[in-house]
Amino acid sequence: EPEVTQTPSHQVTQMGQEVILRCVPISNHLYFYWYRQILGQKVEFLVSFYNNEISEKSEIFDDQFSVERPDGSNFTLKIRSTKLEDSAMYFCASSDPSGSNEQFFGPGTRLTVL
Amino acid sequence: RKEVEQDPGPFNVPEGATVAFNCTYSNSASQSFFWYRQDCRKEPKLLMSVYSSGNEDGRFTAQLNRASQYISLLIRDSKLSDSATYLCVVSGDSSYKLIFGSGTRLLVRP
Repeated sequence: EPEVTQTPSHQVTQMGQEVILRCVPISNHLYFYWYRQILGQKVEFLVSFYNNEISEKSEIFDDQFSVERPDGSNFTLKIRSTKLEDSAMYFCASSDPSGSNEQFFGPGTRLTVL
Repeated sequence: RKEVEQDPGPFNVPEGATVAFNCTYSNSASQSFFWYRQDCRKEPKLLMSVYSSGNEDGRFTAQLNRASQYISLLIRDSKLSDSATYLCVVSGDSSYKLIFGSGTRLLVRP
């Protein structure tokens, strides 16, 4: 069964450093998303991406964040200058173009900012 | 009012029991509705989409009441493996972003 994959599974970084989180969405999916979940809190939407551009972003997704689809398979989230409060699980998700909006999530990257 | 509201639980039930979870949402224009399950420190996994006509998948039945902005999930014949957090999820009115509830924790005991 096709699945979303993410790397790395755990990233530890120093405050102020840049991190790039990587995702490979399901191959025939066209909509891509990033969500995050701070420990003990609910899952929160960050950004959606379609047709090589951002289609929607939340208030959390400020100028420190960017997304890119550098090739036909990868989808990345970059945080330019990490803050302590960026520590969270970051989930990538994808959905197909059928319109059902059923989104399938990757296993997540645990980001720890020290 | 929270966008998606759920009873946090935990619901502690014996194997074989039937358990029901409820959820309310605030945006009457929401278009898509789902139940996801999440195991500890894992990703949300899609359990089922929810339709106004109601839908069933094995031991799981989901219902949507648009007039009351209310979603339910019924689990029959609970198994130990059903122990997880159940997330009520709705989409925006004209967007694909998913809005998650805080989840209801289910513990199924032997």
